[in-house]
Amino acid sequence: ETGVTQTPRHLVMGMTNKKSLKCEQHLGHNAMYWYKQSAKKPLELMFVYSLEERVENNSVPSRFSPECPNSSHLFLHLHTLQPEDSALYLCASSQARTGGYGYTFGSGTRLTVV
Amino acid sequence: AQSVTQPDIHITVSEGASLELRCNYSYGATPYLFWYVQSPGQGLQLLLKYFSGDTLVQGIKGFEAEFKRSQSSFNLRKPSVHWSDAAEYFCAVDNQGGKLIFGQGTELSVKP
Repeated sequence: ETGVTQTPRHLVMGMTNKKSLKCEQHLGHNAMYWYKQSAKKPLELMFVYSLEERVENNSVPSRFSPECPNSSHLFLHLHTLQPEDSALYLCASSQARTGGYGYTFGSGTRLTVV
Repeated sequence: AQSVTQPDIHITVSEGASLELRCNYSYGATPYLFWYVQSPGQGLQLLLKYFSGDTLVQGIKGFEAEFKRSQSSFNLRKPSVHWSDAAEYFCAVDNQGGKLIFGQGTELSVKP
């Protein structure tokens, strides 16, 4: 148990579907992150929430919509995705503005868009 | 701007051989440094970190890393690689504000 739980582990969705990815952490952290990891590509930081406020949005298409209702939960709402959005989506958490502790990652959601 | 470079995209070593994965960073002050490992289809797991003090740090699974300020490097080493070490390895730097910048990763393959 890593302390960061992502559900579902696998998701197959059509391009017209709407689905959500969920991330939950029980570490008392107050910053949460969404990363996209495509095959043979570096980690791409998508969104950062610090103290429940979105502080970073790295030019992510609007078909991805994050939500952070409290410091323990993070969602990524998906709609009208494209096949190139198929990837491993990783959630991470950390203690905001406190250096030296790193991030704790979840196991990821493997998303396939058909 | 801060950056992390892992010069080797893919490395293959024989089981039982020694391993060194390279990491160079660009940062004005002494950063906090991390190595993470990712098995296929899994999240990233922290192997070790450098915070301050002794420049040789020990981590889990028999890994160690050495911080060399003069070379802006934080290379990961293991004396004898096991087949289960096959994975992707990421170096990361923390700007002391809690935000990590990751390298592109090095994929390690282990030959029997």
